[in-house]
Amino acid sequence: DQQVKQNSPSLSVQEGRISILNCDYTNSMFDYFLWYKKYPAEGPTFLISISSIKDKNEDGRFTVFLNKSAKHLSLHIVPSQPGDSAVYFCAARKQGGSEKLVFGKGTKLTVNP
Amino acid sequence: DAGVIQSPRHEVTEMGQEVTLRCKPISGHNSLFWYRQTMMRGLELLIYFNNNVPIDDSGMPEDRFSAKMPNASFSTLKIQPSEPRDSAVYFCASSFARDSTEAFFGQGTRLTVV
Repeated sequence: DQQVKQNSPSLSVQEGRISILNCDYTNSMFDYFLWYKKYPAEGPTFLISISSIKDKNEDGRFTVFLNKSAKHLSLHIVPSQPGDSAVYFCAARKQGGSEKLVFGKGTKLTVNP
Repeated sequence: DAGVIQSPRHEVTEMGQEVTLRCKPISGHNSLFWYRQTMMRGLELLIYFNNNVPIDDSGMPEDRFSAKMPNASFSTLKIQPSEPRDSAVYFCASSFARDSTEAFFGQGTRLTVV
């Protein structure tokens, strides 16, 4: 059972436009959410996170939005750059401080020049 | 710091052989994670250690898989005997604090079992 779902395996946008990557989760016990970025032949790297007590967190061009009632979060990249082309993983953690992260399958973002 | 170091980067082995993957976490980190990435299942947590002690191994697929962390600077993931369905990229990650979820990943080991 996939507790964290990224339903779009791929996304293609033009340079300078907004990229929106979506993530849905099923477990209401999740209280902390993260996005990781992964380039080919490299390990995932942490990008941005959000706690369930917030509905928005911003870091430069990257903003994560959380809608708890819909069990949905999204990552916005504005403006998108060719260097943002990578696979983006959504991850979630349960309440209680457990370090166990549950990942989605990832969305491959391609930003075209 | 050199980051999380995994070896080998690539491993090709025949079915039935023993495979050992190695990981050196970031110095000072006290949690270590082993993940497996496949197209079908994405990134799955296999096992994680805190202060060298296995905390959760519920993701280990079966008894053919085992992991050890003999000291704070080294961990192994062993598959014996290996099967073609074990082919995947295996990642090791480490983090500093018990509640930290910002784990740092190694570059992974691409395992191919033929």
